[in-house]
Amino acid sequence: GAVVSQHPSRVICKSGTSVKIECRSLDFQATTMFWYRQFPKQSLMLMATSNEGSKATYEQGVEKDKFLINHASLTLSTLTVTSAHPEDSSFYICSARDSGGGTGNTIYFGEGSWLTVV
Amino acid sequence: QKEVEQDPGPLSVPEGAIVSLNCTYSNSAFQYFMWYRQYSRKGPELLMYTYSSGNKEDGRFTAQVDKSSKYISLFIRDSQPSDSATYLCASMKQNAGNMLTFGGGTRLMVKP
Repeated sequence: GAVVSQHPSRVICKSGTSVKIECRSLDFQATTMFWYRQFPKQSLMLMATSNEGSKATYEQGVEKDKFLINHASLTLSTLTVTSAHPEDSSFYICSARDSGGGTGNTIYFGEGSWLTVV
Repeated sequence: QKEVEQDPGPLSVPEGAIVSLNCTYSNSAFQYFMWYRQYSRKGPELLMYTYSSGNKEDGRFTAQVDKSSKYISLFIRDSQPSDSATYLCASMKQNAGNMLTFGGGTRLMVKP
């Protein structure tokens, strides 16, 4: 099946620094990617929709200046957590829609990135 | 009320049992229905994808959608310990920017 790759899988950073997480669709083009956040034993919470070549659409309550999203190409979206604080520690997951072929609206997820802010 | 409701479990079954996982939804605009499996500390993995009502079978997995009752089911036959994971149902509207609405997930434990 389609593959979505996330990097890094785990990252530890100091409070006040910024961290960038990459999401790549490896074998298909994705005009739209999604960024989620997941707390332990909870479901995925949509943070923003990343649109290739345009600004991301953020969900209510998500600070766009803190969680910077860039979708520079049809296969790459990045999430930058700026001025990270310990409460930003979480599991961040991206997903992408395979817009071509027979899968139509099938959405695939990356492996996720664990962020720990110390 | 959440748009997609799912019993959080945990659901514990012996190896070899038939597992039934269920979700209900409230928005009749949902047209696409998916089941994802998520192992601990990993991203969700797509298991089944269905459009509108009906059944879909793939190996030991069968997905059912009943739009009249707004009920989504996933059946796992001959369950294995490796099936132990959290199962997430998800729904999507047509022409809605591909935004998924997730249930809360059901944690399944298959005991050897």
